Amino acid sequence: GAVVSQHPSRVICKSGTSVKIECRSLDFQATTMFWYRQFPKQSLMLMATSNEGSKATYEQGVEKDKFLINHASLTLSTLTVTSAHPEDSSFYICSARGLAGINEQFFGPGTRLTVL
Amino acid sequence: GQNIDQPTEMTATEGAIVQINCTYQTSGFNGLFWYQQHAGEAPTFLSYNVLDGLEEKGRFSSFLSRSKGYSYLLLKELQMKDSASYLCAVLDSNYQLIWGAGTKLIIKP
Repeated sequence: GAVVSQHPSRVICKSGTSVKIECRSLDFQATTMFWYRQFPKQSLMLMATSNEGSKATYEQGVEKDKFLINHASLTLSTLTVTSAHPEDSSFYICSARGLAGINEQFFGPGTRLTVL
Repeated sequence: GQNIDQPTEMTATEGAIVQINCTYQTSGFNGLFWYQQHAGEAPTFLSYNVLDGLEEKGRFSSFLSRSKGYSYLLLKELQMKDSASYLCAVLDSNYQLIWGAGTKLIIKP
């Protein structure tokens, strides 16, 4: 099956710093990548959808200047949490959708962000 | 608005059968997914239904009725490792996944 990786798997940072999370599709080309956030005991919340070579589409309530998304190639998307605060501490998960099928999303393993 | 409902928590016994229901109201329908998510991990794909009926895959089966906006995930011969959250998600007319809040399944010996 299709494999999606995320790096880092876990990061701890100080308040006010920026953190970059990478999402890579390893064995397929991902035309669309999705970024989710999940707080404890809650379901996935879609933050934004990014298509290769174009600007990301952010969900209502998600600050585009705080959560910078870049989808520069068909295999890589990055999410940068700028000026992180403790309330940004969460589990961030990316998923990717390939060229062949538009129905299934393949999930990365997630990144646990803790902001002190 | 779009809405997906599933029970918050269910408890079952090892070796038994459990059915997790999901009802949905979405703008358009391009299929329904079930995912399994263990604590601290990303979701893993279990099943995809786009036509009415039952899809069986080993110990797991998934059923869909589009006219009723209803699906269920059936887990047979429950094992302790099946303790997890089970997420129902619908692909809407924009091919965007709409997620349910998930059902936490607790398996007791």
